[in-house]
Amino acid sequence: DAKTTQPTSMDCAEGRAANLPCNHSTISGNEYVYWYRQIHSQGPQYIIHGLKNNETNEMASLIITEDRKSSTLILPHATLRDTAVYYCIVRANNYGQNFVFGPGTRLSVLP
Amino acid sequence: DGGITQSPKYLFRKEGQNVTLSCEQNLNHDAMYWYRQDPGQGLRLIYYSQIVNDFQKGDIAEGYSVSREKKESFPLTVTSAQKNPTAFYLCASSIFGQGRTEAFFGQGTRLTVV
Repeated sequence: DAKTTQPTSMDCAEGRAANLPCNHSTISGNEYVYWYRQIHSQGPQYIIHGLKNNETNEMASLIITEDRKSSTLILPHATLRDTAVYYCIVRANNYGQNFVFGPGTRLSVLP
Repeated sequence: DGGITQSPKYLFRKEGQNVTLSCEQNLNHDAMYWYRQDPGQGLRLIYYSQIVNDFQKGDIAEGYSVSREKKESFPLTVTSAQKNPTAFYLCASSIFGQGRTEAFFGQGTRLTVV
């Protein structure tokens, strides 16, 4: 079973920031938070991951709370091409650990 | 370019036949994974392999088989025992430990039983 809970769907206006929340209250100390997105009928695309510090790359920012029980993926200026299903996953980088996908959040960016 | 390649993109199978889906990676990743996705659903793990000549069942392994004879290749066979094989199949690979530990996904194979 997925160790994360996410809202089923969200809307965002084009050009605005999209903030996607994820709860992972049972996360272990050695588990990372990964975010992926999947555009219809394509393979999931890696976005970002982090352990406890906030992270930023060219696609997004990841904000992890101090207690690590939740995180938020931020797309700073959402475009129509950001419409996708977004998955939050927790996983340790050890032998035997898998990527377990839940149902994710369906983000719709509206014009 | 380094990456993970699945073939074919679309596959049609007659009921009762076995079919093998190909997955190849040139990323030098140790771990490889097969997922199944049904319409409107998330990804479910079928099988995974952390090292050559070793693999483990995921959540929905019944009716599927795999092999891992080479690091680069992790083919999935959908057998006639799989009662509802029509689905979108995704292969992924990753490393564990330090560095770029995210999973890289192929573009998927859409299998239809006719």
